[in-house]
Amino acid sequence: TQLLEQSPQFLSIQEGENLTVYCNSSSVFSSLQWYRQEPGEGPVLLVTVVTGGEVKKLKRLTFQFGDARKDSSLHITAAQPGDTGLYLCAVQGAGSYQLTFGKGTKLSVIP
Amino acid sequence: DTGVSQDPRHKITKRGQNVTFRCDPISEHNRLYWYRQTLGQGPEFLTYFQNEAQLEKSRLLSDRFSAERPKGSFSTLEIQRTEQGDSAMYLCASSLLTPRETQYFGPGTRLLVL
Repeated sequence: TQLLEQSPQFLSIQEGENLTVYCNSSSVFSSLQWYRQEPGEGPVLLVTVVTGGEVKKLKRLTFQFGDARKDSSLHITAAQPGDTGLYLCAVQGAGSYQLTFGKGTKLSVIP
Repeated sequence: DTGVSQDPRHKITKRGQNVTFRCDPISEHNRLYWYRQTLGQGPEFLTYFQNEAQLEKSRLLSDRFSAERPKGSFSTLEIQRTEQGDSAMYLCASSLLTPRETQYFGPGTRLLVL
């Protein structure tokens, strides 16, 4: 059983459309991170959310942490081809510094 | 120094050969992590160092794998007697020891075992 379930697994949309991807779990986390990974590269941290209900914005990206701190969403407004990549959510284990990742959502934005 | 670097970026080897990868972390980062990522999966933790001490190892790290960080700076990951199942992207990350640390990832080494 995956600790973090990400959906959808794949998403292909036209430039200019909006989209939301999800990261869900039955566990409660003290914080959750979102990364974007481009083909052949390592993941790059986008944001860390800490407080239940927290909303953070990064240009056209809006991140929300669920009230119960079990889930999170990433909304992209007016997607652009440069948004193409693998979006990963990750959490740090209790008493451990290792990151546990979901399988990711592979986003393709078609010009 | 602008980020974590890894060498080589790509490696093709034959089954049974040994391979070694190198990771150079961001200067002054005292924590260094190794992860493995296979196709369609997120990165999976292998091991981590705080300075030169290896503090945690995953069950994924079989006895064919060994990692070192001899002087608390760069690290090497060696795989002995490679198997086709070892084909993956090997990612290195580094961080500073802080209450809310951020791990910065390198570009990875993509290994293909034929």
